[in-house]
Amino acid sequence: DGGITQSPKYLFRKEGQNVTLSCEQNLNHDAMYWYRQDPGQGLRLIYYSQIVNDFQKGDIAEGYSVSREKKESFPLTVTSAQKNPTAFYLCASSWGTGTLTGELFFGEGSRLTVL
Amino acid sequence: RKEVEQDPGPFNVPEGATVAFNCTYSNSASQSFFWYRQDCRKEPKLLMSVYSSGNEDGRFTAQLNRASQYISLLIRDSKLSDSATYLCVVNGAQAGTALIFGKGTTLSVSS
Repeated sequence: DGGITQSPKYLFRKEGQNVTLSCEQNLNHDAMYWYRQDPGQGLRLIYYSQIVNDFQKGDIAEGYSVSREKKESFPLTVTSAQKNPTAFYLCASSWGTGTLTGELFFGEGSRLTVL
Repeated sequence: RKEVEQDPGPFNVPEGATVAFNCTYSNSASQSFFWYRQDCRKEPKLLMSVYSSGNEDGRFTAQLNRASQYISLLIRDSKLSDSATYLCVVNGAQAGTALIFGKGTTLSVSS
């Protein structure tokens, strides 16, 4: 079945540690995104990528890094520079961005807790 | 003015009620509009796109008012299973930017 797979589903991290969240899609979508959601808040865009080897910062990119070496994969690294990393992280993909954007397909999310 | 604004609610309604949510957006150049549904602690899922002519899908009706820059979602004959958070989504201000999500409106349907 086609879809987006995020792992791990739950992750605990000690302060000062970097962690990498995995996101893989087999939908042949060009665009991929990372969002962060805090309780009672909407989704905020961290990074997005429209094509392999290219990505753009979203609204809250500080303390995060991404790579897009393959069309199927868009991993997110939460670095120790991120001051408040505890959140629900959602990866998504779509056929395009901006005016071309259609439906976003989301993974099930990764819950990161910093101890 | 925030890019996408929604009344957070919660909207508490009995089964069978009709409920409507509004959402305002700031960028008059926005072209794409959607309503997503998010269940508690789950990922958002597309509920419906919003077209200029309005569109209906069963008990759900979405409308777009470009002049006033708002979109609406009407749910008729509410079911317990409609309880969720409804996210208003608008495409970004510039070509090539990602979608912008509102904070969501929470609906609770009770028996």
